[in-house]
Amino acid sequence: DAGVTQSPTHLIKTRGQQVTLRCSPKSGHDTVSWYQQALGQGPQFIFQYYEEEERQRGNFPDRFSGHQFPNYSSELNVNALLLGDSALYLCASSSSGSTDTQYFGPGTRLTVL
Amino acid sequence: RKEVEQDPGPFNVPEGATVAFNCTYSNSASQSFFWYRQDCRKEPKLLMSVYSSGNEDGRFTAQLNRASQYISLLIRDSKLSDSATYLCVVTLGGSYIPTFGRGTSLIVHP
Repeated sequence: DAGVTQSPTHLIKTRGQQVTLRCSPKSGHDTVSWYQQALGQGPQFIFQYYEEEERQRGNFPDRFSGHQFPNYSSELNVNALLLGDSALYLCASSSSGSTDTQYFGPGTRLTVL
Repeated sequence: RKEVEQDPGPFNVPEGATVAFNCTYSNSASQSFFWYRQDCRKEPKLLMSVYSSGNEDGRFTAQLNRASQYISLLIRDSKLSDSATYLCVVTLGGSYIPTFGRGTSLIVHP
């Protein structure tokens, strides 16, 4: 049973560029949440997708956008990258539109130079 | 005041010791509480949910104190493999937005 997978594992970009991160949820899960984790901090909720729609959003600017596909996989897009966007981006999946009992993927480590 | 606060530590304890962490939350409407474990440069993994009646899983005990708005995690007979960062998570009732604390670092030494 495949767990949550994310790609790529590492990414280096420069300021102003755009990036797309990808996530496949655990089998049987239909809800995907994205988090940003800066060094030494806990994960911060970006948004959650359920039934291909953004269900909830944390305190992140519009530069952060996402999408969920019919197979429940999801993408996180970040435009106009800033140095402060350097972080570990975690995807978590759960079932039935809940954030209880979330399973996290290994994350994508984004470095913005 | 931050929504969820944890002492970052590190807590440095010998094998076999008992250690406890607290996590305070500011919103009295919070309804769901969890502890996650995160190893260095890895993803968080759910350790246990925290119920009003408290719950125990082997050497781990979690408690909720709604009156004082904190949750706790007690680890008995610490093992070297317990070394990790422990994150508490709080979710408001009716919200799907979980708020993580910054985590408490535990180092168990021989």
